[in-house]
Amino acid sequence: NAGVTQTPKFQVLKTGQSMTLQCAQDMNHEYMSWYRQDPGMGLRLIHYSVGAGITDQGEVPNGYNVSRSTTEDFPLRLLSAAPSQTSVYFCASTVRRGLSYNSPLHFGNGTRLTVT
Amino acid sequence: AQKVTQAQTEISVVEKEDVTLDCVYETRDTTYYLFWYKQPPSGELVFLIRRNSFDEQNEISGRYSWNFQKSTSSFNFTITASQVVDSAVYFCALRIANTGNQFYFGTGTSLTVIP
Repeated sequence: NAGVTQTPKFQVLKTGQSMTLQCAQDMNHEYMSWYRQDPGMGLRLIHYSVGAGITDQGEVPNGYNVSRSTTEDFPLRLLSAAPSQTSVYFCASTVRRGLSYNSPLHFGNGTRLTVT
Repeated sequence: AQKVTQAQTEISVVEKEDVTLDCVYETRDTTYYLFWYKQPPSGELVFLIRRNSFDEQNEISGRYSWNFQKSTSSFNFTITASQVVDSAVYFCALRIANTGNQFYFGTGTSLTVIP
Protein backbone atom coordinates (compact mmCIF):
# COMPACT_ATOMS: atom_id res chain seq x y z
CA ASN A 1 0.00 0.00 0.00
CA ALA A 2 1.72 3.18 -1.20
CA GLY A 3 -0.22 5.68 0.96
CA VAL A 4 0.67 9.28 0.09
CA THR A 5 3.34 9.72 -2.57
CA GLN A 6 5.10 13.02 -3.15
CA THR A 7 7.50 13.88 -5.93
CA PRO A 8 10.16 15.13 -6.23
CA LYS A 9 12.02 14.65 -2.95
CA PHE A 10 14.38 17.54 -3.62
CA GLN A 11 14.19 20.52 -5.93
CA VAL A 12 16.26 23.63 -6.54
CA LEU A 13 14.69 26.54 -8.39
CA LYS A 14 15.84 29.95 -9.45
CA THR A 15 13.78 32.97 -8.49
CA GLY A 16 10.92 33.41 -10.92
CA GLN A 17 10.78 29.83 -12.12
CA SER A 18 7.60 27.81 -11.82
CA MET A 19 7.12 24.20 -10.90
CA THR A 20 4.56 21.68 -9.69
CA LEU A 21 4.90 19.45 -6.65
CA GLN A 22 3.04 16.23 -7.21
CA CYS A 23 0.95 14.42 -4.60
CA ALA A 24 -1.03 11.23 -5.04
CA GLN A 25 -2.82 8.98 -2.56
CA ASP A 26 -4.31 5.53 -3.06
CA MET A 27 -6.51 5.38 0.07
CA ASN A 28 -9.60 6.99 -1.50
CA HIS A 29 -9.33 9.88 0.95
CA GLU A 30 -11.64 12.82 0.29
CA TYR A 31 -9.51 15.34 2.17
CA MET A 32 -6.08 16.35 0.89
CA SER A 33 -3.88 19.20 1.96
CA TRP A 34 -0.50 20.85 1.56
CA TYR A 35 1.65 22.11 4.41
CA ARG A 36 4.94 23.88 4.55
CA GLN A 37 7.36 23.39 7.41
CA ASP A 38 9.81 26.08 8.38
CA PRO A 39 12.09 26.17 11.45
CA GLY A 40 10.21 27.38 14.51
CA MET A 41 6.95 27.73 12.59
CA GLY A 42 5.61 24.21 12.76
CA LEU A 43 3.32 23.02 9.98
CA ARG A 44 1.37 25.71 8.19
CA LEU A 45 -1.54 24.90 5.93
CA ILE A 46 -1.23 26.22 2.38
CA HIS A 47 -4.29 24.82 0.57
CA TYR A 48 -6.68 21.99 1.10
CA SER A 49 -9.40 20.10 -0.75
CA VAL A 50 -12.42 18.18 0.53
CA GLY A 51 -13.06 16.42 -2.75
CA ALA A 52 -12.57 16.52 -6.51
CA GLY A 53 -13.32 19.97 -7.88
CA ILE A 54 -13.25 21.64 -4.44
CA THR A 55 -10.28 23.55 -3.06
CA ASP A 56 -9.81 26.21 -0.42
CA GLN A 57 -7.09 28.37 1.04
CA GLY A 58 -5.29 27.67 4.25
CA GLU A 59 -3.14 29.92 6.38
CA VAL A 60 -0.41 30.76 3.84
CA PRO A 61 -1.83 30.44 0.30
CA ASN A 62 -0.08 33.34 -1.46
CA GLY A 63 2.20 32.29 -4.29
CA TYR A 64 0.68 28.82 -4.57
CA ASN A 65 -2.03 27.32 -6.72
CA VAL A 66 -3.85 24.00 -6.45
CA SER A 67 -6.43 21.99 -8.34
CA ARG A 68 -8.19 18.70 -7.64
CA SER A 69 -9.41 17.02 -10.79
CA THR A 70 -9.41 13.51 -9.30
CA THR A 71 -9.76 12.04 -5.83
CA GLU A 72 -6.22 10.67 -6.01
CA ASP A 73 -4.18 13.70 -7.08
CA PHE A 74 -3.59 17.10 -5.53
CA PRO A 75 -0.72 19.00 -7.19
CA LEU A 76 0.74 22.19 -5.76
CA ARG A 77 1.96 24.82 -8.21
CA LEU A 78 4.47 27.53 -7.53
CA LEU A 79 3.73 30.21 -10.07
CA SER A 80 6.86 32.35 -9.71
CA ALA A 81 9.23 30.99 -7.09
CA ALA A 82 10.66 33.31 -4.46
CA PRO A 83 13.40 32.69 -1.87
CA SER A 84 10.70 32.96 0.84
CA GLN A 85 9.23 29.75 -0.53
CA THR A 86 12.32 27.78 0.44
CA SER A 87 10.85 25.19 2.75
CA VAL A 88 9.91 21.56 3.23
CA TYR A 89 6.52 20.77 1.77
CA PHE A 90 4.25 17.98 2.94
CA CYS A 91 1.15 16.61 1.32
CA ALA A 92 -1.36 14.89 3.62
CA SER A 93 -4.70 13.18 3.29
CA THR A 94 -7.42 11.75 5.47
CA VAL A 95 -10.98 10.52 5.52
CA ARG A 96 -13.51 13.30 5.60
CA ARG A 97 -17.02 12.03 5.95
CA GLY A 98 -19.28 10.91 8.72
CA LEU A 99 -17.84 9.76 12.00
CA SER A 100 -14.32 9.67 10.70
CA TYR A 101 -13.10 12.91 12.21
CA ASN A 102 -10.86 10.92 14.47
CA SER A 103 -8.95 9.75 11.42
CA PRO A 104 -5.39 11.02 11.44
CA LEU A 105 -3.64 12.81 8.61
CA HIS A 106 -1.45 10.54 6.52
CA PHE A 107 1.62 12.38 5.31
CA GLY A 108 3.86 12.00 2.31
CA ASN A 109 7.61 11.97 2.86
CA GLY A 110 8.05 15.61 1.95
CA THR A 111 9.70 17.72 -0.73
CA ARG A 112 12.68 19.88 0.19
CA LEU A 113 12.57 22.97 -2.01
CA THR A 114 15.32 25.56 -2.29
CA VAL A 115 14.80 28.78 -4.21
CA THR A 116 17.97 30.72 -5.02
CA ALA B 1 -10.67 30.29 17.22
CA GLN B 2 -8.68 27.11 17.42
CA LYS B 3 -5.11 27.01 18.60
CA VAL B 4 -2.52 24.52 19.79
CA THR B 5 0.39 25.62 21.93
CA GLN B 6 3.54 23.64 22.52
CA ALA B 7 5.48 25.97 24.75
CA GLN B 8 8.58 23.79 24.94
CA THR B 9 10.61 24.51 21.84
CA GLU B 10 13.55 22.25 22.65
CA ILE B 11 14.16 19.69 25.39
CA SER B 12 17.30 17.70 26.13
CA VAL B 13 17.37 14.71 28.45
CA VAL B 14 19.89 12.05 29.28
CA GLU B 15 19.04 8.55 28.18
CA LYS B 16 16.74 6.65 30.58
CA GLU B 17 15.26 9.83 32.01
CA ASP B 18 11.52 10.40 31.79
CA VAL B 19 10.31 13.40 29.79
CA THR B 20 6.93 15.05 29.35
CA LEU B 21 5.98 17.08 26.30
CA ASP B 22 3.24 19.61 26.91
CA CYS B 23 0.35 20.40 24.61
CA VAL B 24 -2.34 22.97 25.40
CA TYR B 25 -5.24 23.53 23.05
CA GLU B 26 -7.98 26.09 22.63
CA THR B 27 -11.41 25.52 21.15
CA ARG B 28 -15.00 26.35 21.97
CA ASP B 29 -16.31 23.25 20.27
CA THR B 30 -17.36 20.36 22.44
CA THR B 31 -16.46 17.68 19.92
CA TYR B 32 -12.86 17.59 18.84
CA TYR B 33 -9.94 15.25 18.34
CA LEU B 34 -6.34 15.47 19.43
CA PHE B 35 -3.34 13.83 17.82
CA TRP B 36 0.38 13.43 18.38
CA TYR B 37 2.88 13.00 15.58
CA LYS B 38 6.59 12.19 15.63
CA GLN B 39 9.07 13.55 13.10
CA PRO B 40 12.42 11.74 13.41
CA PRO B 41 15.60 13.17 11.86
CA SER B 42 14.78 11.33 8.63
CA GLY B 43 11.93 13.82 8.18
CA GLU B 44 8.76 11.78 7.79
CA LEU B 45 5.73 12.49 9.97
CA VAL B 46 4.50 9.49 11.92
CA PHE B 47 1.11 9.32 13.61
CA LEU B 48 1.35 8.22 17.25
CA ILE B 49 -2.04 8.55 18.91
CA ARG B 50 -5.50 10.10 18.67
CA ARG B 51 -7.96 11.00 21.41
CA ASN B 52 -11.51 12.32 21.14
CA SER B 53 -12.98 14.91 23.47
CA PHE B 54 -15.35 12.44 25.11
CA ASP B 55 -12.66 10.04 26.20
CA GLU B 56 -10.50 11.27 29.03
CA GLN B 57 -8.90 7.94 29.76
CA ASN B 58 -5.17 8.02 29.81
CA GLU B 59 -3.39 5.81 27.34
CA ILE B 60 -0.23 3.82 27.72
CA SER B 61 1.66 2.16 24.91
CA GLY B 62 4.94 0.68 26.00
CA ARG B 63 7.16 3.53 27.16
CA TYR B 64 4.71 6.13 25.85
CA SER B 65 1.76 7.52 27.78
CA TRP B 66 -0.68 10.31 27.18
CA ASN B 67 -2.57 12.36 29.74
CA PHE B 68 -5.69 14.11 28.46
CA GLN B 69 -7.29 16.63 30.84
CA LYS B 70 -10.23 18.65 29.58
CA SER B 71 -10.23 20.79 32.71
CA THR B 72 -6.86 22.25 31.74
CA SER B 73 -7.23 21.78 27.95
CA SER B 74 -4.08 19.74 27.87
CA PHE B 75 -2.97 16.57 26.13
CA ASN B 76 0.51 15.84 27.43
CA PHE B 77 2.84 13.12 26.21
CA THR B 78 5.28 11.31 28.49
CA ILE B 79 8.16 9.10 27.42
CA THR B 80 9.42 6.84 30.18
CA ALA B 81 13.03 5.68 30.21
CA SER B 82 13.88 7.70 27.12
CA GLN B 83 16.10 6.25 24.42
CA VAL B 84 18.23 7.84 21.71
CA VAL B 85 15.68 6.66 19.12
CA ASP B 86 13.13 8.95 20.77
CA SER B 87 15.07 11.97 19.52
CA ALA B 88 12.67 13.73 17.17
CA VAL B 89 10.34 16.67 16.79
CA TYR B 90 6.92 15.97 18.25
CA PHE B 91 3.77 17.74 17.08
CA CYS B 92 0.43 17.99 18.76
CA ALA B 93 -2.64 18.64 16.57
CA LEU B 94 -6.33 19.46 17.01
CA ARG B 95 -9.20 18.63 14.66
CA ILE B 96 -12.65 20.10 15.15
CA ALA B 97 -15.69 18.04 14.24
CA ASN B 98 -17.78 21.00 13.10
CA THR B 99 -15.21 22.37 10.69
CA GLY B 100 -14.67 18.78 9.79
CA ASN B 101 -11.43 19.02 8.05
CA GLN B 102 -8.70 21.33 9.16
CA PHE B 103 -6.00 20.18 11.51
CA TYR B 104 -4.41 22.78 13.75
CA PHE B 105 -0.81 22.00 14.60
CA GLY B 106 1.41 23.25 17.37
CA THR B 107 4.88 24.49 16.51
CA GLY B 108 6.47 21.29 17.74
CA THR B 109 8.89 20.27 20.49
CA SER B 110 12.34 19.11 19.51
CA LEU B 111 13.48 16.34 21.85
CA THR B 112 17.11 15.32 22.06
CA VAL B 113 18.02 12.25 24.07
CA ILE B 114 21.69 12.27 24.99
CA PRO B 115 23.37 8.87 25.32
